[in-house]
Amino acid sequence: GENVEQHPSTLSVQEGDSAVIKCTYSDSASNYFPWYKQELGKGPQLIIDIRSNVGEKKDQRIAVTLNKTAKHFSLHITETQPEDSAVYFCAASMRGGSQGNLIFGKGTKLSVKP
Amino acid sequence: GAGVSQTPSNKVTEKGKYVELRCDPISGHTALYWYRQSLGQGPEFLIYFQGTGAADDSGLPNDRFFAVRPEGSVSTLKIQRTERGDSAVYLCASSLQHSSETQYFGPGTRLLVL
Repeated sequence: GENVEQHPSTLSVQEGDSAVIKCTYSDSASNYFPWYKQELGKGPQLIIDIRSNVGEKKDQRIAVTLNKTAKHFSLHITETQPEDSAVYFCAASMRGGSQGNLIFGKGTKLSVKP
Repeated sequence: GAGVSQTPSNKVTEKGKYVELRCDPISGHTALYWYRQSLGQGPEFLIYFQGTGAADDSGLPNDRFFAVRPEGSVSTLKIQRTERGDSAVYLCASSLQHSSETQYFGPGTRLLVL
């Protein structure tokens, strides 16, 4: 089955700097890759996602890139702000099949220092 | 509109007891998922409902775990003979249709088995 590896496990940056989180997946059939932000005591919140027919997607300060050949995808946050501090999870799944469950990485705790 | 809601938000029980966790998905969402999140880990898939039927229950760890969705809306996750290792956050997510849609998560139920 699918396996998703995520790194780093912790990341500390200064406010205004960029942050990059990387994930790799094992199942070449996976075609949907969402990123979730989870704040303490809350459920994961979708921040951006990408499908395998696209190499890059941007939404304001957030961007995701996908390399299908290498089976890895990355989250880029520019101009980080203290409110970006949270745990970020990448995930992978195969859309369009009978299964819809997401396989998550172990998470990256991002700390943005003012 | 209202998001996914879960009750209770916290549940403390003793080893060997039976517990029920409830999930109210977003209105009109036909797909519903249960995940379990241990401390410092990403969510792990338990079961997926399409309408009233369990389309994939491959993530349920053993036969002490069972879930129902009798009317295709609210779902209940049931855990019999709880063990200390069952302590975790149980997350529910829903999506508009089946596996091709974005999953929206609830805040979770924090279960502690003493």
